[in-house]
Amino acid sequence: DVKVTQSSRYLVKRTGEKVFLECVQDMDHENMFWYRQDPGLGLRLIYFSYDVKMKEKGDIPEGYSVSREKKERFSLILESASTNQTSMYLCASSPDREKAFFGQGTRLTVV
Amino acid sequence: SQKIEQNSEALNIQEGKTATLTCNYTNYSPAYLQWYRQDPGRGPVFLLLIRENEKEKRKERLKVTFDTTLKQSLFHITASQPADSATYLCALDLTDRGSTLGRLYFGRGTQLTVWP
Repeated sequence: DVKVTQSSRYLVKRTGEKVFLECVQDMDHENMFWYRQDPGLGLRLIYFSYDVKMKEKGDIPEGYSVSREKKERFSLILESASTNQTSMYLCASSPDREKAFFGQGTRLTVV
Repeated sequence: SQKIEQNSEALNIQEGKTATLTCNYTNYSPAYLQWYRQDPGRGPVFLLLIRENEKEKRKERLKVTFDTTLKQSLFHITASQPADSATYLCALDLTDRGSTLGRLYFGRGTQLTVWP
């Protein structure tokens, strides 16, 4: 089975900190995605990548950046964490258009 | 702008009945539509995909229909069980048809509760 692993289940950070969320997939997928999920708003795409060192902005990229130095790893960076970035963050990978595999999520709280 | 609506936030049904969840969309013609299940505190899990040229897809107790004229997908769980209780998400793939990268737009989900 495909495994998408996010480095932390729960994270608490202070306002202004630089935060790194890591995601690793073990199935050699080309495509990787970062979403955030908030009550009443559903999943919203932050950034995605279709190849090493390639990245594209999603619908809500402001305040975030990403890094993909290796095919299996896709990192989400909060440059200066703010309280409105408190959310559930979900990483996904996919080999094609026909399904996506999600990690277990990271619940980030910014205080 | 694209709008995806799932019929209700919550659906409660009795064990053994058929659960029917609705996903409606406006403005676009998706090449694919997918359904996911999400349990509390977990990531979504892929269930089924249906293509724009397909009317119906089945997998065990699950059935998905896709009506591109009505811009609607129905997701059915037959002989529902308490273990089917979860949030179900529909997702539209609006990427260009020639692309290998699928960019998904998700509905907000319907929380299904199956009671004994």
